Amino acid sequence: GAGVSQTPSNKVTEKGKYVELRCDPISGHTALYWYRQSLGQGPEFLIYFQGTGAADDSGLPNDRFFAVRPEGSVSTLKIQRTERGDSAVYLCASSWTSGRLDEQFFGPGTRLTVL
Amino acid sequence: GDSVTQMEGPVTLSEEAFLTINCTYTATGYPSLFWYVQYPGEGLQLLLKATKADDKGSNKGFEATYRKETTSFHLEKGSVQVSDSAVYFCALSGATNKLIFGTGTLLAVQP
Repeated sequence: GAGVSQTPSNKVTEKGKYVELRCDPISGHTALYWYRQSLGQGPEFLIYFQGTGAADDSGLPNDRFFAVRPEGSVSTLKIQRTERGDSAVYLCASSWTSGRLDEQFFGPGTRLTVL
Repeated sequence: GDSVTQMEGPVTLSEEAFLTINCTYTATGYPSLFWYVQYPGEGLQLLLKATKADDKGSNKGFEATYRKETTSFHLEKGSVQVSDSAVYFCALSGATNKLIFGTGTLLAVQP
């Protein structure tokens, strides 16, 4: 079956602009996660959803970052007033449930470049 | 807070050499431990996992044993192949289900 998909694969924007990154999880997966991977680093947790609600948003760096999952499937990560430091690969993952033993399946990521 | 420390790379080996990538962790409670792999041009994939002390995770010839006494989860393979060239990430999930990753170790296997 289809894996986790993310669009766009690459996004180049200018400092101060608004961007939206989309994640389509594996069908039937109730939990969805966003991570950010800076160059040379491991992924860092941003937020996760169980169903439609954000169960843990403790990793969002500041209030410029926001994510939604209105119907419990597709999720959008929104970044306002982008800064050069936001440049990174944004990864989405999904799992059957939010249980910590459930495998998280990762998408290919969106590479965001802020000029 | 919880954290993972893994050996820095790059690690360069000849084909059929023995591989060890060290990983240690800090966590409260009893975390689950994972190794993820990222092949060139591909997304992160789970390689193996262990959920309690003394468990051994294994897959594709790779092994790692959950050592609570040394808070370690070192990755080993007896004979690496060129196709094992990738970036390897050690990770844990603690009281919550979010993954905490190490910085990654680049492995380059030469024929």
